[in-house]
Amino acid sequence: AQSVTQLGSHVSVSEGALVLLRCNYSSSVPPYLFWYVQYPNQGLQLLLKYTSAATLVKGINGFEAEFKKSETSFHLTKPSAHMSDAAEYFCAVKGDSWGKLQFGAGTQVVVTP
Amino acid sequence: EAQVTQNPRYLITVTGKKLTVTCSQNMNHEYMSWYRQDPGLGLRQIYYSMNVEVTDKGDVPEGYKVSRKEKRNFPLILESPSPNQTSLYFCASSLYRPSGSSYNEQFFGPGTRLTVL
Repeated sequence: AQSVTQLGSHVSVSEGALVLLRCNYSSSVPPYLFWYVQYPNQGLQLLLKYTSAATLVKGINGFEAEFKKSETSFHLTKPSAHMSDAAEYFCAVKGDSWGKLQFGAGTQVVVTP
Repeated sequence: EAQVTQNPRYLITVTGKKLTVTCSQNMNHEYMSWYRQDPGLGLRQIYYSMNVEVTDKGDVPEGYKVSRKEKRNFPLILESPSPNQTSLYFCASSLYRPSGSSYNEQFFGPGTRLTVL
């Protein structure tokens, strides 16, 4: 069965600093991997997805993630944090039935001035 | 505007009082799904539907029912809510194109925060 583990339930970064959110996956088949963002009182929005094409995936709002098969990782980064990046971020892997997503526990990002 | 809508957004109820959370999408999507979000657990799938009259259980279906009589609507029914169903619920939809390893982006509704006393 597919699963993901997000390291760190809370991350605090200074405005302008690097944002790094860690995600490791477990999958018996080549994975489809995703990062979603949830702003306060809103639904989930897709940031980016890996579907076996390029290993470095660029998403919206300046985020990118790198798929590393040898490390079973799909970490999310952004070079310079903005106050507007404060949100909860979820890593997900395509599950064992069509359309199903297996989500990690989420990482809450706080951006400090 | 393409969107998934849920109603109500907030609901406080008491144990045992039947309730329905509605979900509607205007994108002509075949696939619809319900998730619940709990702190430290992420989102877990409750039920999903591949098309009208086709539904199946997800990972945490106990205590929930769904129906899919129309393509655009996928209501979540709690026949006898209990406090352990206090959670944040999300509906999602996507195109259904089950060809090999395809993937279609899922669009999420804004969520329904349910409290069962």
